[in-house]
Amino acid sequence: GNSVTQMEGPVTLSEEAFLTINCTYTATGYPSLFWYVQYPGEGLQLLLKATKADDKGSNKGFEATYRKETTSFHLEKGSVQVSDSAVYFCALDRASSNTGKLIFGQGTTLQVKP
Amino acid sequence: GAGVSQSPSNKVTEKGKDVELRCDPISGHTALYWYRQRLGQGLEFLIYFQGNSAPDKSGLPSDRFSAERTGESVSTLTIQRTQQEDSAVYLCASSSSGTSGVETQYFGPGTRLLVL
Repeated sequence: GNSVTQMEGPVTLSEEAFLTINCTYTATGYPSLFWYVQYPGEGLQLLLKATKADDKGSNKGFEATYRKETTSFHLEKGSVQVSDSAVYFCALDRASSNTGKLIFGQGTTLQVKP
Repeated sequence: GAGVSQSPSNKVTEKGKDVELRCDPISGHTALYWYRQRLGQGLEFLIYFQGNSAPDKSGLPSDRFSAERTGESVSTLTIQRTQQEDSAVYLCASSSSGTSGVETQYFGPGTRLLVL
């Protein structure tokens, strides 16, 4: 079936460190891939997305590239800030579905220390 | 409205009681989704509405769970005879049409349900 696996957290980094949060997926067909972020006390919001192989999604300094050959969509940022502390969720839509419903990973908590 | 709203924000109930959770999607969005987020876990899909009909109810965990949507707007998720394992944050999301995975789903702040 369709599933998303993320690296376990929490991930603790110092400010200005390089960030990678791994995400791999299993899916039939060609899903779209998403990263959502949940800041403390706030609702879930879309961070970036990619809709086909080799697409790169980017936003707020974060990037992720849709790698079909490795079924991955790793999230990266070159220099994290304290304000990036949040829970990050990788997700995919079922490409064979016309409902647009999302399948989420379990989330990775990022803590950035000053 | 400006965003997706949900009420109540928190609900504490006793085992065996029924609860109703409400979602107000973004005005004009025809697609509406309910998800559940258990502590330390990712979101689980529950049900999808296109307009007032629910073509995908595959995520509802048992027949104690039901949902309806009226006027292509407000949706209510009802849990009957609540159990402790129902404790979770229930999230609602909406998107403009729901027929393509490239659309952005906009999430509400969630209702935190605690069943004692």
